[in-house]
Amino acid sequence: KNEVEQSPQNLTAQEGEFITINCSYSVGISALHWLQQHPGGGIVSLFMLSSGKKKHGRLIATINIQEKHSSLHITASHPRDSAVYICAVRFGGAQKLVFGQGTRLTINP
Amino acid sequence: GAGVSQTPSNKVTEKGKYVELRCDPISGHTALYWYRQSLGQGPEFLIYFQGTGAADDSGLPNDRFFAVRPEGSVSTLKIQRTERGDSAVYLCASSLMGTSDEQYFGPGTRLTVT
Repeated sequence: KNEVEQSPQNLTAQEGEFITINCSYSVGISALHWLQQHPGGGIVSLFMLSSGKKKHGRLIATINIQEKHSSLHITASHPRDSAVYICAVRFGGAQKLVFGQGTRLTINP
Repeated sequence: GAGVSQTPSNKVTEKGKYVELRCDPISGHTALYWYRQSLGQGPEFLIYFQGTGAADDSGLPNDRFFAVRPEGSVSTLKIQRTERGDSAVYLCASSLMGTSDEQYFGPGTRLTVT
């Protein structure tokens, strides 16, 4: 079964802390996406990666294909980073995305 | 440029009624996806269009759900004989060609079946 697991499910931190959200998947993938969803808002794509590491501003995404694991890091976290972060993968040659259950991040000032 | 739009933003309907949800993808995007997101969960795949044809409809939960994309742009998700369990946010996304392209999501339609 193609599964995507995220941890933690909920994360609360203080402004300025370094944040790590993890994503593990069950079988080989062709691409992994990190998405952000604000309360009542739509989903925004943060990263799409199939190997290595990508950086955009304070956000960094890494993926280890051998270990079937990806991490999303946020440096110098800010209250505006508070949102649900979702990992989604495309397994093999499939077109559809399979989503994790999301990580609810709250950054307190 | 305009992103993916969905209408209506909210829809309340009675159990047993028929509903249609509309998605306008980004102009020129050939791939279109429908997902459903229940409260507190990640989205779940429903159906994927490449052009006018449904390339993968394996996520449609049963035959009450149907989607069309007759001209390869706008898509309509149709739900017959709605049930309370159909209540969710229905998300649409589009991408340029499909395959390994980034997907752009619409704001969703919140469907409530009473």
